[in-house]
Amino acid sequence: EVHLVESGGGLVQPGGSLRLSCAASGFSLSDHYMDWVRQAPGKGLEWVGRTRNKANSYTTEYAASVKGRFTISRDDSKNSMYLQMKSLKTEDTAVYFCVRNVVDQYYMDVWGKGTTVTVSS
Amino acid sequence: DIQMTQSPSSLSASVGDRVTITCRASQGISNSVAWFQQKPGKAPKSLIYAASSLQSGVTSNFSGSGSGTDFTLTINSLQPEDAATYYCQQYTTFPLTFGGGTKVEIK
Repeated sequence: EVHLVESGGGLVQPGGSLRLSCAASGFSLSDHYMDWVRQAPGKGLEWVGRTRNKANSYTTEYAASVKGRFTISRDDSKNSMYLQMKSLKTEDTAVYFCVRNVVDQYYMDVWGKGTTVTVSS
Repeated sequence: DIQMTQSPSSLSASVGDRVTITCRASQGISNSVAWFQQKPGKAPKSLIYAASSLQSGVTSNFSGSGSGTDFTLTINSLQPEDAATYYCQQYTTFPLTFGGGTKVEIK
């Protein structure tokens, strides 16, 4: 069965850093584009960024709100993806979801359960 | 950025009712629209891609239509388990953007 499990969330002070992980099981991460999507408390969904697959040189895209502060990486040998977050702001407080895209397509299909990041002093 | 405007923001309907949610894109996006269902405290679930194609395992009680700028998600016969918030999303251009959500409640 296909699963995505996020980890690494927690409480961090403004200006701090945090690294989220997404562990995939039941499929090979290497073929897929992967996204991070977040949801602030009581709010809607916000796309954070994407990593493409090896065939597309692992290139990345980011939302303007996180560009220059967040970095997406992946280790296909560990079937895992990561979100390195720096210079965190209170408005980055959210549940962060790891999301798989269908192979050779650009739409999402499988979501993880999410990990909570709280940025507060 | 492409804005996705959903309406209504909430609705209340009875079991068995036909429910329609609309999503309008600020510019033409062909059929590159997906729909998601989210229940409280849970991760979103993918329902539809390419405006009208059902994700694997999704009941045919859900259907989608539209192309260009106007899209709809229809629940053909509302069931108690359909109480949730529904989001549309465009995936034709970065940044990927979601609609604001439609909360569906059961009367």
